[in-house]
Amino acid sequence: AQKVTQAQTEISVVEKEDVTLDCVYETRDTTYYLFWYKQPPSGELVFLIRRNSFDEQNEISGRYSWNFQKSTSSFNFTITASQVVDSAVYFCALSGKAGANNLFFGTGTRLTVIP
Amino acid sequence: EAEVAQSPRYKITEKSQAVAFWCDPISGHATLYWYRQILGQGPELLVQFQDESVVDDSQLPKDRFSAERLKGVDSTLKIQPAELGDSAMYLCASSPTGAQSLNTDTQYFGPGTRLTVL
Repeated sequence: AQKVTQAQTEISVVEKEDVTLDCVYETRDTTYYLFWYKQPPSGELVFLIRRNSFDEQNEISGRYSWNFQKSTSSFNFTITASQVVDSAVYFCALSGKAGANNLFFGTGTRLTVIP
Repeated sequence: EAEVAQSPRYKITEKSQAVAFWCDPISGHATLYWYRQILGQGPELLVQFQDESVVDDSQLPKDRFSAERLKGVDSTLKIQPAELGDSAMYLCASSPTGAQSLNTDTQYFGPGTRLTVL
């Protein structure tokens, strides 16, 4: 069974602080994909990153970075120098079996950046 | 930039009434998904289409929910009759290739329809 756990329900940081959002997943598949999405108050899910299970290289995109560790089944997301516009709910998601494509989402982490 | 379109953005209805939501995926995307997101939770898949065919509707409450994608482009999700527990955000997403692909495509989401059942 596929499962994603985001243990942090809510996080508040002061602007310019760094913040890490945790994601732990469970799957029996050997090939799988992991995703992060951002959901601002408007409601739309905005795609941030997609990573396959064979690529454990960390990735950096501007102020965003992702740390994928297969050994601990974690795919954590760090925002450096947070900004008020980063305030949103962030979801980690796991793909289903190859070819099925449906996503299993965690319960999300609400990030509030205080100016 | 191509986007997934959904309408209406908000819908308020009384229980036992019928409601319908519309989704227009990104042009050329073969796969279309409907998700339901209850407040405070992550989205959960209701139904997945490849072109006009249903690939997965195992989580769709078929006694009251129906979905179609007749021409393999836009799609409609219907609830009849609506119940109080159906209050949620209904999200549509699309991805480029077919469900038989060995890879998992990125899904792109629309703005959602927020349903309130009174």
